[in-house]
Amino acid sequence: KQEVTQIPAALSVPEGENLVLNCSFTDSAIYNLQWFRQDPGKGLTSLLLIQSSQREQTSGRLNASLDKSSGRSTLYIAASQPGDSATYLCAVPTGTASKLTFGTGTRLQVTL
Amino acid sequence: GAGVSQTPSNKVTEKGKYVELRCDPISGHTALYWYRQSLGQGPEFLIYFQGTGAADDSGLPNDRFFAVRPEGSVSTLKIQRTERGDSAVYLCASSTDRWDSGANVLTFGAGSRLTVL
Repeated sequence: KQEVTQIPAALSVPEGENLVLNCSFTDSAIYNLQWFRQDPGKGLTSLLLIQSSQREQTSGRLNASLDKSSGRSTLYIAASQPGDSATYLCAVPTGTASKLTFGTGTRLQVTL
Repeated sequence: GAGVSQTPSNKVTEKGKYVELRCDPISGHTALYWYRQSLGQGPEFLIYFQGTGAADDSGLPNDRFFAVRPEGSVSTLKIQRTERGDSAVYLCASSTDRWDSGANVLTFGAGSRLTVL
């Protein structure tokens, strides 16, 4: 059974800092990995999708890497801003891959 | 529509009652998913539709839960004899592609928060 773990569970940083969020998964036979952002009371917004053949994806200040062999992905956020405050979730397809298995998320707070 | 729309946004009901939650996916999206998110947890898969048929319902917790998508667009999640443990946010998502196209980016709705008293 695929298990997805995210560390840390919560993180508070001052504005301007670079930071790394971690995601690990137990079954490395994945097709892709997605990072999502969730704001309080809102749905999830897809940030980055990394295919299994890729090692990283970049979008603006966000960079996600994938190391299938070690079962790890990282989300790097450069020059953090208060607007980045949210919960960040990673997810991998499982089984038929129509279903995603999510981690429990990292709750990020960027302070002024 | 422009996004995935879910109604109601909030539903409070009493234990034992019947509840329906509605999802209106993005127009043209053939794939539709229901997830359930408990407080402090990541979303958990419930059911996946490809068109009108439930391609994977392995995440439905028991036979009190049922979902339909009769015309391949709007979907309704139905919960019978609700229990306090059913309290959660129910999220719907849709996408254009099957997962094996390599582009299974999901668009999520804002969710329906269900509270069972």
